[in-house]
Amino acid sequence: LAKTTQPISMDSYEGQEVNITCSHNNIATNDYITWYQQFPSQGPRFIIQGYKTKVTNEVASLFIPADRKSSTLSLPRVSLSDTAVYYCLVGTRGSARQLTFGSGTQLTVLP
Amino acid sequence: DSGVTQTPKHLITATGQRVTLRCSPRSGDLSVYWYQQSLDQGLQFLIQYYNGEERAKGNILERFSAQQFPDLHSELNLSSLELGDSALYFCASSPGADHSGNTIYFGEGSWLTVV
Repeated sequence: LAKTTQPISMDSYEGQEVNITCSHNNIATNDYITWYQQFPSQGPRFIIQGYKTKVTNEVASLFIPADRKSSTLSLPRVSLSDTAVYYCLVGTRGSARQLTFGSGTQLTVLP
Repeated sequence: DSGVTQTPKHLITATGQRVTLRCSPRSGDLSVYWYQQSLDQGLQFLIQYYNGEERAKGNILERFSAQQFPDLHSELNLSSLELGDSALYFCASSPGADHSGNTIYFGEGSWLTVV
């Protein structure tokens, strides 16, 4: 199981772009990288998933370098409502190993 | 609204007691997952059931047990409760035996306070 390391917390201001990096040095060939968002007293919610290079959807972008030992979640123009904990998970797509969440990154967006 | 329903939303009970948490998965989902989230442990995977059968097991204590019924709802039974069992318990569901990250949906959780 690839261990992930993320910053414990980050602060940003409204309207700024936020980049959260996750390290996963032991990522396996078949592993995907998935990010979840969790608001207080709510369950995690899927944000984005990728295998390599760049993935973009309506809420975020995920950048994965060629060696795949890290990944960066990019949130464009954050708002106060983006204040949440963000989790990076690495595992085989569909594998039960992917179900273990680390400590995540507490993002606080300031006015 | 994720479509996953958990009851009760809040529960206060005494040490040594037993409680049952209930989860109704999204319509059509065959897998149910249980998680525990506490302040000091983060979000921990407990167990997964798929179509009535245990599929994967995580850090679930022997005092805890779960099952999935023919109608696919699931119950998590917590017995001989200790103060440290106080946590937010999440249920999640997905359509198949495994999920691809974007097909797992979480409920709003059940707050358990043991006093």
